[in-house]
Amino acid sequence: QSALTQPPSVSGSPGQSVTISCSGTSSDIGYYNRVSWFQQPPGTAPKLMIYEVSNRPSGVPDRFSGSKSGSTASLTISGLQAEDEADYFCSSYTKFNTLIFGGGTKLTVL
Amino acid sequence: QVQLQQSGPRLVKPSQTLSLTCAISGDSVSSNSAAWNWIRQSPSGGLEWLGRTYYRSKWSSDYAVSLRSRITINPDTSRNQFSLQLNSVTPEDTAVYFCARDFGVILSCGLDVWGQGTTVTVS
Repeated sequence: QSALTQPPSVSGSPGQSVTISCSGTSSDIGYYNRVSWFQQPPGTAPKLMIYEVSNRPSGVPDRFSGSKSGSTASLTISGLQAEDEADYFCSSYTKFNTLIFGGGTKLTVL
Repeated sequence: QVQLQQSGPRLVKPSQTLSLTCAISGDSVSSNSAAWNWIRQSPSGGLEWLGRTYYRSKWSSDYAVSLRSRITINPDTSRNQFSLQLNSVTPEDTAVYFCARDFGVILSCGLDVWGQGTTVTVS
């Protein structure tokens, strides 16, 4: 199975909104609503930001939101802050009972 | 508060077996509302799911297709931990290895708790 497809990088100024896409297939994103998003600053373990497409764990700011259309999921960060600068990864459960990740997107806050 | 503590050697010789352990506190490896995963991150930065073990009236394990011939993930109920064994390693297995909890009765709700990561070099 190939990794989910994410843009290598995105950027935005403080206060703006950015959206990171995650493209899969009918065997993963298009098959289940089990898409997650993770934030990973350098040298740290990934942190769960969104689960089951659009749910936020306790403690995650509501500036972070997730959605899905067909086989593509999206993470939107509104009111961008300097602390949001990190790598972001998507993941999806697959019809083969496995988990697959995206290649990661580096978010730069200008 | 659930915490995962990883342990194991950081240097493995080619063709040998990589073995890591993940000790669980604040939850149970036998929980029927969690699954226990191993993930690795290559030096180039990509994440790769390796596999999971979980209990739902019986023990089950699932593995990444590319690793099924070399990987075993086992629970250890007496020590409340789970382990990863990867056989016949090559330099391509050099990575940061993470253990992580997947919460919820259904699989892949979300990996909400992660270990600290272990950098393993095959050389």
